[in-house]
Amino acid sequence: GEDVEQSLFLSVREGDSSVINCTYTDSSSTYLYWYKQEPGAGLQLLTYIFSNMDMKQDQRLTVLLNKKDKHLSLRIADTQTGDSAIYFCAEIDDMRFGAGTRLTVKP
Amino acid sequence: DADVTQTPRNRITKTGKRIMLECSQTKGHDRMYWYRQDPGLGLRLIYYSFDVKDINKGEISDGYSVSRQAQAKFSLSLESAIPNQTALYFCATSAPDGNTGELFFGEGSRLTVL
Repeated sequence: GEDVEQSLFLSVREGDSSVINCTYTDSSSTYLYWYKQEPGAGLQLLTYIFSNMDMKQDQRLTVLLNKKDKHLSLRIADTQTGDSAIYFCAEIDDMRFGAGTRLTVKP
Repeated sequence: DADVTQTPRNRITKTGKRIMLECSQTKGHDRMYWYRQDPGLGLRLIYYSFDVKDINKGEISDGYSVSRQAQAKFSLSLESAIPNQTALYFCATSAPDGNTGELFFGEGSRLTVL
């Protein structure tokens, strides 16, 4: 079946940029999403990109979509300790989520 | 108040017991979902419902059943709980086609089966 894959862990220093990567297999996905899960909480939508876009920027967040390689990335500029969380890549057509990348930001 | 409310938030039970997790929403969405979260596996879809008369199996429906009692209520049942159903369960809602498809999640129900 279709799948969404991402690495499980990322550790960065405060102030650095973080890049979280995701690959997916369903080429017909209409929207691709990044969700954020803080400790003890549910998931909240962080940002999304429509499949006909290559890039979307929203303040410190940049989403890049390479449809040819089926690769999605999330870049967080000037990463802060408050950005420490689990980040999930998701595609909506099959309602599938990746395993989540745990981002740890060290002071 | 939360738009998507799950009860109970935490439950410890024994193997073989019947468990029901309940979800209610005030967002007015037709679509509702149940996911389970396991470390290293992310979220996996158990069941989903696009309206009151529509129930669909997800990726991992074995051992689970659901009931859509009303537009606002969607419950998940474990008829005979087993230890590998220990997980964090999330209910979610979304608006119909034509919207972005964003899922709105409850805060989760942590289930431990001993």
